[in-house]
Amino acid sequence: SQTIHQWPATLVQPVGSPLSLECTVEGTSNPNLYWYRQAAGRGLQLLFYSVGIGQISSEVPQNLSASRPQDRQFILSSKKLLLSDSGFYLCAWSVTGTSGEQYFGPGTRLTVT
Amino acid sequence: GQQVMQIPQYQHVQEGEDFTTYCNSSTTLSNIQWYKQRPGGHPVFLIQLVKSGEVKKQKRLTFQFGEAKKNSSLHITATQTTDVGTYFCAGLFSYKLIFGTGTRLQVFP
Repeated sequence: SQTIHQWPATLVQPVGSPLSLECTVEGTSNPNLYWYRQAAGRGLQLLFYSVGIGQISSEVPQNLSASRPQDRQFILSSKKLLLSDSGFYLCAWSVTGTSGEQYFGPGTRLTVT
Repeated sequence: GQQVMQIPQYQHVQEGEDFTTYCNSSTTLSNIQWYKQRPGGHPVFLIQLVKSGEVKKQKRLTFQFGEAKKNSSLHITATQTTDVGTYFCAGLFSYKLIFGTGTRLQVFP
């Protein structure tokens, strides 16, 4: 069966520090991968999506970037965090080439202080 | 750009009462999906609707997709405390899901 992992679960970082969040998927090949951000009590904002290794589409201009170094690995990064980067970061995957459901990871709660 | 709006933003009901959330898109959707997010948790897929006018049921939950494929609704009959959470609709545009603003449901026993 398929499993999606995210780490860390929680993170407190000072303004200006770098960020690296990792997401891995098991049990499937060539998934579509997504990064979302959710502000407290708000909806989900799509940040990046990827349909294959090295293929990244950015939805929102910001100081974040994403990479997909391996088929089932998706990384969200920042060189310098801003206070506004605080939020709940969710990674998700869906079966490639379909318009079906997305499966979400447990998420990372990031607080920038 | 594509937008998906949901109303109401919050709903508080007494256990046993019914609940409905409505979802509207600015453009025609390929399909609509519904997700539930429990407090502190991550979104979990509930259902997908594809056809114009489609109606699907899952126990006490009824999902509808509008004839014009621009709106949808979720109706819960006789709510229970386990229904607490935020319900999101999500419209599919190409292979991107655009999530609605969500409706937070609170059920009082």
